[in-house]
Amino acid sequence: QQQVKQSPQSLIVQKGGISIINCAYENTAFDYFPWYQQFPGKGPALLIAIRPDVSEKKEGRFTISFNKSAKQFSLHIMDSQPGDSATYFCAASKTSGSRLTFGEGTQLTVNP
Amino acid sequence: NAGVMQNPRHLVRRRGQEARLRCSPMKGHSHVYWYRQLPEEGLKFMVYLQKENIIDESGMPKERFSAEFPKEGPSILRIQQVVRGDSAAYFCASSPNLGSNYEQYFGPGTRLTVT
Repeated sequence: QQQVKQSPQSLIVQKGGISIINCAYENTAFDYFPWYQQFPGKGPALLIAIRPDVSEKKEGRFTISFNKSAKQFSLHIMDSQPGDSATYFCAASKTSGSRLTFGEGTQLTVNP
Repeated sequence: NAGVMQNPRHLVRRRGQEARLRCSPMKGHSHVYWYRQLPEEGLKFMVYLQKENIIDESGMPKERFSAEFPKEGPSILRIQQVVRGDSAAYFCASSPNLGSNYEQYFGPGTRLTVT
């Protein structure tokens, strides 16, 4: 019940295209859902996060869509750029400040 | 405002030695989390600490691993008698955990290699 499932494992997109990464969770106690971006040899960097009281959150080219009834959430990267090439992790936790449970990661490659 | 600091960035230990990994949280953050990332895998929670308290250690292996976050100084993750399977990247994250702000910010990690 603590798992977060992420797909696809890898994704190749052309420059200017839309990258979509999906995650699903089981634990209904989760109510905080962040996305992290990680470049090789670096630590994960917080990109954007959402709480279940909204269905969508947008920050620049990054949008989270959240479907509470389906227990799914997704990251959309609009106008994808080669500099977006990285590994993306979804995560979930209880807002009480408890640990993050991470998805398995998606390796995104944006071709020029 | 400096980010989360971790040192060393790279650590090589022989089997049976001890590894000590240090983490200084962001200024104003009093909550520290440790995660482990095995090669080609996601991040797995290990332990969550506040100053002088272990809040959640459910992800820590039962033997050889310990963590502390003293009143003064950095948080330390200690691995005794390291084995090859301990080779991984170890990340710490810090959070203010105040009000509605529970965002966790990660350090650059310590890459442990056991030979």
